[in-house]
Amino acid sequence: QKEVEQNSGPLSVPEGAIASLNCTYSDRGSQSFFWYRQYSGKSPELIMFIYSNGDKEDGRFTAQLNKASQYVSLLIRDSQPSDSATYLCAVTYNTDKLIFGTGTRLQVFP
Amino acid sequence: EAQVTQNPRYLITVTGKKLTVTCSQNMNHEYMSWYRQDPGLGLRQIYYSMNVEVTDKGDVPEGYKVSRKEKRNFPLILESPSPNQTSLYFCASSPGLAGYEQYFGPGTRLTVT
Repeated sequence: QKEVEQNSGPLSVPEGAIASLNCTYSDRGSQSFFWYRQYSGKSPELIMFIYSNGDKEDGRFTAQLNKASQYVSLLIRDSQPSDSATYLCAVTYNTDKLIFGTGTRLQVFP
Repeated sequence: EAQVTQNPRYLITVTGKKLTVTCSQNMNHEYMSWYRQDPGLGLRQIYYSMNVEVTDKGDVPEGYKVSRKEKRNFPLILESPSPNQTSLYFCASSPGLAGYEQYFGPGTRLTVT
């Protein structure tokens, strides 16, 4: 059974701080890794994807991948109240399976 | 506008009454899938399709059927809905899977009484 695990939270951080979200996955054959953001009652939207070990930065967001330890993380710098949402980690297996974690709820307070 | 549409957005029905949730995309995407989202369980894949006439089971296919007769449409069929199928359903499409963004529809909230 392929698994993607996330802490459900909530993760509470003050405005302007760095939010760190983590995700672990069970299968070493995983190929690509995604972070989606989902506001309450809305559909998920892609934040970032990463394939290779190391860091990938896009504006205030940095995705980090460590295949040896089987984890992927998302850092949000200068967190804003508008970042308050549930963040879903997703991992592809083979070429036809996409598994989502249960999501981490982030709360950014002013 | 590039989009995935789902209909209906909200549906309340009774046990055993067959229903279909439609999904359509206008981006010429090969890959389409259906997910259900339940509190504490996250997004779970029901069925997916790699191309026209090619469908396969996801993680929770029991009680559901799909078809892919046209590239743009991927309807989800509940032949005999039961209360445990009460959920929020999302359709998604993408050009492929590995390395591609999934474009999600707005969701269909289904209640089976």
